[in-house]
Amino acid sequence: QKEVEQNSGPLSVPEGAIASLNCTYSDRGSQSFFWYRQYSGKSPELIMFIYSNGDKEDGRFTAQLNKASQYVSLLIRDSQPSDSATYLCAVNIYAGNQFYFGTGTSLTVIP
Amino acid sequence: NAGVTQTPKFQVLKTGQSMTLQCAQDMNHNSMYWYRQDPGMGLRLIYYSASEGTTDKGEVPNGYNVSRLNKREFSLRLESAAPSQTSVYFCASTEAGWGTSTDTQYFGPGTRLTVL
Repeated sequence: QKEVEQNSGPLSVPEGAIASLNCTYSDRGSQSFFWYRQYSGKSPELIMFIYSNGDKEDGRFTAQLNKASQYVSLLIRDSQPSDSATYLCAVNIYAGNQFYFGTGTSLTVIP
Repeated sequence: NAGVTQTPKFQVLKTGQSMTLQCAQDMNHNSMYWYRQDPGMGLRLIYYSASEGTTDKGEVPNGYNVSRLNKREFSLRLESAAPSQTSVYFCASTEAGWGTSTDTQYFGPGTRLTVL
């Protein structure tokens, strides 16, 4: 079983809609959780990190963490065509600095 | 402030050739990482260096070696390249040293390697 699982998509939403991206992880020792955005041919860039149960909001983005269910999600409100990218979920396990990445979810926002 | 830089950007090798991928960061970060990214496989950790002078294997270390030359630089060497090593290689760094779990990773632009 992979450490981090994501639905590979593709996920398509109309412009202005809410995009919901989901990620599950297998290790209950996981301590911090990250969402990265990766445009085609580019390197990943951080959108948000979260390490406490509940919601964390930053502009149009909301990360949600439920450690009991081992589930982390990313909501993108008022989706824009510029949000079209692959979104990577990453998990930091234990107190060390190893990060495990999901395979990514491809999002397309249709104008 | 260039962040994380990688050289070269592109490389084509023949099977059996060797090469070194270079990575440098100017953010005074303690930890550095090498990943490979293949279609459908996501980012997979090859090696990492939690702090200057230490290196550890990640998920897919076979066929690779690394050197943490100093705090700024972390190189990845392919001693005898194989077609299975065709991939995009990313270097990353974080501020934290060993034992800190919440730091963001900053990625370099990547090296696109093809092994024929």
